[in-house]
Amino acid sequence: SQQGEEDPQALSIQEGENATMNCSYKTSINNLQWYRQNSGRGLVHLILIRSNEREKHSGRLRVTLDTSKKSSSLLITASRAADTASYFCATETNTDKLIFGTGTRLQVFP
Amino acid sequence: GAVVSQHPSWVICKSGTSVKIECRSLDFQATTMFWYRQFPKQSLMLMATSNEGSKATYEQGVEKDKFLINHASLTLSTLTVTSAHPEDSSFYICSASDLPGREQFFGPGTRLTVL
Repeated sequence: SQQGEEDPQALSIQEGENATMNCSYKTSINNLQWYRQNSGRGLVHLILIRSNEREKHSGRLRVTLDTSKKSSSLLITASRAADTASYFCATETNTDKLIFGTGTRLQVFP
Repeated sequence: GAVVSQHPSWVICKSGTSVKIECRSLDFQATTMFWYRQFPKQSLMLMATSNEGSKATYEQGVEKDKFLINHASLTLSTLTVTSAHPEDSSFYICSASDLPGREQFFGPGTRLTVL
């Protein structure tokens, strides 16, 4: 399977703490994207980082990309209870397909 | 941002019946639409890619005769689950893109339960 892997599978933290999720993938990519999914709902696009970029910020989100290690990380700073969701990385290749990672379930306790 | 809708949002059907799910791009023309399936607490798995006016391209292991995809217009793609069985129960999500290589916009998903 080409599916990427994320770790941890599940993460529980207190409000105000930072949450870090990691994603590893297997093939060459054009870009890597992070999505959030609330339980039983659709996907929300968070951020896209291109293969020639190493770091990107958006509000409380910070994404890094290491193409030599085929890995990426998503950092959510100062987490809030509303950040509770599943987070998926997805890699886009030359075929324009998105290959999703296994996901991290984040629980932020008030 | 671009909006993609799905209808219905949930459906319950009896085993052996067929179910049609619609995916619409509301404010842009989608040359390409993608269909994904997501089992509980699992990731999204791409089922097929459809381009307007041509046959869908199915991923390995996806039965094209069971999951019929039609992309007859630039704003509508349909997925028909034929002769549905309980193992087809899943969350089906579509996405749409206006041009190859451009961002995919995701629909809210359709939850299918087959009794």
